[in-house]
Amino acid sequence: AQKITQTQPGMFVQEKEAVTLDCTYDTSDPSYGLFWYKQPSSGEMIFLIYQGSYDQQNATEGRYSLNFQKARKSANLVISASQLGDSAMYFCAMRENDYKLSFGAGTTVTVRA
Amino acid sequence: NAGVTQTPKFQVLKTGQSMTLQCAQDMNHEYMSWYRQDPGMGLRLIHYSVGAGITDQGEVPNGYNVSRSTTEDFPLRLLSAAPSQTSVYFCASSYSGPNNQPQHFGDGTRLSIL
Repeated sequence: AQKITQTQPGMFVQEKEAVTLDCTYDTSDPSYGLFWYKQPSSGEMIFLIYQGSYDQQNATEGRYSLNFQKARKSANLVISASQLGDSAMYFCAMRENDYKLSFGAGTTVTVRA
Repeated sequence: NAGVTQTPKFQVLKTGQSMTLQCAQDMNHEYMSWYRQDPGMGLRLIHYSVGAGITDQGEVPNGYNVSRSTTEDFPLRLLSAAPSQTSVYFCASSYSGPNNQPQHFGDGTRLSIL
């Protein structure tokens, strides 16, 4: 079974607007971590934000925030005030107690001027 | 401050050839892993290691070997290259322990098998 599901292959967003990228996950471990990575066209993987399964607050890092709904097993990434440099592929990933990271298929975001 | 270094960045092989993709990290991370990235499939785990002398298979291990003789290095060997192994390969490392440790990625190796 797929551990991480990202249902949006591609999204367009207007510059300065917010965009939400969907991520649902599947695990039976009570302790797990959820990560979002950005992959620009240059190819490197850039860590953006982390949410732990026991964290009470939603994670935020600058313009990135994570809408964590544990009961629904969703961890959506919100990018506020989009910039042209946000155009990239975004991956949701989950780390369980065996340290292995499972990735979703990714969502391509294109920011329009 | 090198982080995770992968070499080479690009490689073209013929079917049946063997080669080793190098990965080195200077952060004293216990955990290291290799992924392949194919269009529409995200990153898939090939092999991983939780420390020197310890390796294990990931999701797609067939056709690849690894070893971990030191904490710093985690080479990936293609035994007999096949066109299906054309992909972008990423090495990553992190501390073991709590799940909040993000993995640090190398810049990737783009491999083409003809």
